[in-house]
Amino acid sequence: DVKVTQSSRYLVKRTGEKVFLECVQDMDHENMFWYRQDPGLGLRLIYFSYDVKMKEKGDIPEGYSVSREKKERFSLILESASTNQTSMYLCASSFIGNYGYTFGSGTRLTVV
Amino acid sequence: GQQVMQIPQYQHVQEGEDFTTYCNSSTTLSNIQWYKQRPGGHPVFLIQLVKSGEVKKQKRLTFQFGEAKKNSSLHITATQTTDVGTYFCAGNRLTNAGKSTFGDGTTLTVKP
Repeated sequence: DVKVTQSSRYLVKRTGEKVFLECVQDMDHENMFWYRQDPGLGLRLIYFSYDVKMKEKGDIPEGYSVSREKKERFSLILESASTNQTSMYLCASSFIGNYGYTFGSGTRLTVV
Repeated sequence: GQQVMQIPQYQHVQEGEDFTTYCNSSTTLSNIQWYKQRPGGHPVFLIQLVKSGEVKKQKRLTFQFGEAKKNSSLHITATQTTDVGTYFCAGNRLTNAGKSTFGDGTTLTVKP
């Protein structure tokens, strides 16, 4: 069964901490994405990557960075976590032609 | 930039009633995709429509793509409690390098 795996289902971090969210896909997809989902705001794109070491800003990149050193792994980094970054974070991947995204199960991050 | 509007935001139905959600894009699309997110879950890809005027069915679900390729609908016949969740459309353009623009979703609740 094809999968997008996110390293943590629930995470609690303190304000100011550096936070790493990891995502791994086993489908040889070129594209990988990080979204955050908040009630009433839908899915908002943070960053995406269409190749190793390539990245593009999405709609809300402020306060985040990403890393893609290997094709199967896409990491989201919160440089200095803040309470307004408390959210559900969803990783997704797709082929370059985008025949549909496969989402991970999500990481619910709480920053206290 | 490209916008995808989805209505209604919420829909409450009695089990057995029909349900429809509508998706409208500000620009012509190359294709449109639909996803379902169960409560507490992550979005799961349902279908992709590519051709102008295309209609596809999956059991009680009927998906349509408008003639101008700017709008789409998802219709569920005789809803069941298993249909509960949020339905997202995602519009794609060839110029967007595989990056979908998601609607805000329609959340369906079904009263038994």
